[in-house]
Amino acid sequence: EAGVAQSPRYKIIEKRQSVAFWCNPISGHATLYWYQQILGQGPKLLIQFQNNGVVDDSQLPKDRFSAERLKGVDSTLKIQPAKLEDSAVYLCASSLGGRGLINYGYTFGSGTRLTVV
Amino acid sequence: GIQVEQSPPDLILQEGANSTLRCNFSDSVNNLQWFHQNPWGQLINLFYIPSGTKQNGRLSATTVATERYSLLYISSSQTTDSGVYFCAVASSGGSYIPTFGRGTSLIVHP
Repeated sequence: EAGVAQSPRYKIIEKRQSVAFWCNPISGHATLYWYQQILGQGPKLLIQFQNNGVVDDSQLPKDRFSAERLKGVDSTLKIQPAKLEDSAVYLCASSLGGRGLINYGYTFGSGTRLTVV
Repeated sequence: GIQVEQSPPDLILQEGANSTLRCNFSDSVNNLQWFHQNPWGQLINLFYIPSGTKQNGRLSATTVATERYSLLYISSSQTTDSGVYFCAVASSGGSYIPTFGRGTSLIVHP
C-alpha cells in the first residue's frame, strides 16, 4: 500500500514570498490533516478535511494560510505571505475515518521542511 | 485546552537496556496515541490506547485514564528505536483536535 505522498521535500523562501505544499493521501482515506511541527515541539493540527469539506480549521492562521482539497483527494496548503516564524516541517496525514486521532489507519507523510529567511 | 507533559525530555541508553516514557495529561481523554518519529522525520503510529494495556513486540503501553497518565515501555532497546516519542491526546470535553506533547528524545547507542 502506498503511503501518504508529500512534495516538495524541502523549500527555502524569503519572507513575504508565497509557498505551496502538496499532499496525496492513501487511496480511500476520507480524512486528511495538515500539521505544523516547529523544531523541538510536537505537531500542531492546522486543518482537518473530511472528503472535500473542512471539519476543523480553528488553529489555521487564516490571514496568511489557506488550504483546499478539491475532489476530496489531493490537498494543497498555501502560505502567503510567509513570515520567519513559519519555518517548520509541514506534515500531512490521512485516515479512513474522522474524529481526530481515532485509529482508522492514521498515517503521516514524510513532511515538507520549510525555511523562511 | 488540554495540557500534555512528557518525561523525560531526553534519554540516552545503551543497546539492550529497558526504559519507561511517561505522558501526563490535564483532562479526561477519549483518544490517546503514541507515535515514534524516526531521525528522518517520519511519524509512525505505535499505539491507540485511551485506556488499558497493549503490547506489540518489545513495546508496550499502559494508560490509566482515571489518573491521567500513560506509560510507554521499551524493552531490550535497539539502535533503531532512536528518535522522538510523542504522546497525543484528545479531550473528552468535546473537540477532537489532537494535542501533542513535546516528546521524549531517545538515543540508543550500540
